[in-house]
Amino acid sequence: DAGVTQSPTHLIKTRGQQVTLRCSPKSGHDTVSWYQQALGQGPQFIFQYYEEEERQRGNFPDRFSGHQFPNYSSELNVNALLLGDSALYLCASTFGPYSGNTIYFGEGSWLTVV
Amino acid sequence: EDKVVQSPLSLVVHEGDTVTLNCSYEVTNFRSLLWYKQEKKAPTFLFMLTSSGIEKKSGRLSSILDKKELFSILNITATQTGDSAVYLCAVEASMNYGGSQGNLIFGKGTKLSVKP
Repeated sequence: DAGVTQSPTHLIKTRGQQVTLRCSPKSGHDTVSWYQQALGQGPQFIFQYYEEEERQRGNFPDRFSGHQFPNYSSELNVNALLLGDSALYLCASTFGPYSGNTIYFGEGSWLTVV
Repeated sequence: EDKVVQSPLSLVVHEGDTVTLNCSYEVTNFRSLLWYKQEKKAPTFLFMLTSSGIEKKSGRLSSILDKKELFSILNITATQTGDSAVYLCAVEASMNYGGSQGNLIFGKGTKLSVKP
């Protein structure tokens, strides 16, 4: 049973560039959330997708956008990258956005902005 | 503003010691509290606690929730070097009708180092 998978694992971008991160949820899951974890901090909620729509959003600017595909996989896009966007980006999946079922995390994508 | 506070932020012990990690929270419409272990990247699920006073156990790990005092503890007995990790506490809030809001509010984590 494949868990949550993310790609790429590491990437380096320059300020002002754009980046796309990808996530495939755990088998049987239909809800995907994205979190940003800066060094030494706990993960912070970016947004959640269910039924191909953004259902909830944390306190992140519009430069952060996402998408969910019919097969439940998801993308996180960040435009106009800032140095402060350097972080581990975690994807999490669960079944049902409001059910309170266990949330599982992927290995994350390390983004470094130089 | 909802918040989760963990203490201590870091802890160094020797193999065989018992440790207690703390998590306090202030969250509107609390639904559940979760503990995760993060060794390198992916936080791995340990416990979900929803009821006060009921201890959950898994091997040498156990956790309990106090909804009156708004805190939880995670205990690890007979620690091993493999327990070295960051332990994250997260709280899930609920919608008015009782369903989950679907997002987790994390603390900063406790970095546990277990020396041989």
